[in-house]
Amino acid sequence: GAVVSQHPSRVICKSGTSVKIECRSLDFQATTMFWYRQFPKQSLMLMATSNEGSKATYEQGVEKDKFLINHASLTLSTLTVTSAHPEDSSFYICSARVLDRGRVDGYTFGSGTRLTVV
Amino acid sequence: SQQGEEDPQALSIQEGENATMNCSYKTSINNLQWYRQNSGRGLVHLILIRSNEREKHSGRLRVTLDTSKKSSSLLITASRAADTASYFCATDRGNTPLVFGKGTRLSVIA
Repeated sequence: GAVVSQHPSRVICKSGTSVKIECRSLDFQATTMFWYRQFPKQSLMLMATSNEGSKATYEQGVEKDKFLINHASLTLSTLTVTSAHPEDSSFYICSARVLDRGRVDGYTFGSGTRLTVV
Repeated sequence: SQQGEEDPQALSIQEGENATMNCSYKTSINNLQWYRQNSGRGLVHLILIRSNEREKHSGRLRVTLDTSKKSSSLLITASRAADTASYFCATDRGNTPLVFGKGTRLSVIA
């Protein structure tokens, strides 16, 4: 089945540094990738939609200069948290739509990245 | 923005009992899906039901969809301790991203 590989699974960084999270679609092409953030005991909140070869679309309230998204190829999307602060500590997870003959057949998710900013 | 609202927010049952979780949403949808998430882990896709379907089964899972009431239910029969997790419904409108509900935390006590 369609698999999205997300790395790293866990990262601890110092305040002010930047962290890059990668999501790769392993056996399919993902023209669109979705990035979510999840705080403890809360649901997943959509941050942005990344499209291969074009600018990402950010949800209201998400700073695009802070959360840089790059989707340079059909199999790789990256999220960079720039100048990280402790309040950016969260669980970040990517997702890609799975199509079957042009129809949505589900979504596949990366395993998530636990970011801790100290 | 979140569209789905699950209830209950938390559910605690004994092993062997059935667990029912409900989800309501606000706008029209193409598909509704249920996911499971163990604490601090990624999401596991459980089942997808399309807007023209009313009921779907997968093993011990039974999902219903009532588009007139904009609601869905997930039934887990003969629950096991390993079913302890958070369960989320998520909706999409075709080319839109998934929008998640707030989730139900299920605890199955052995």
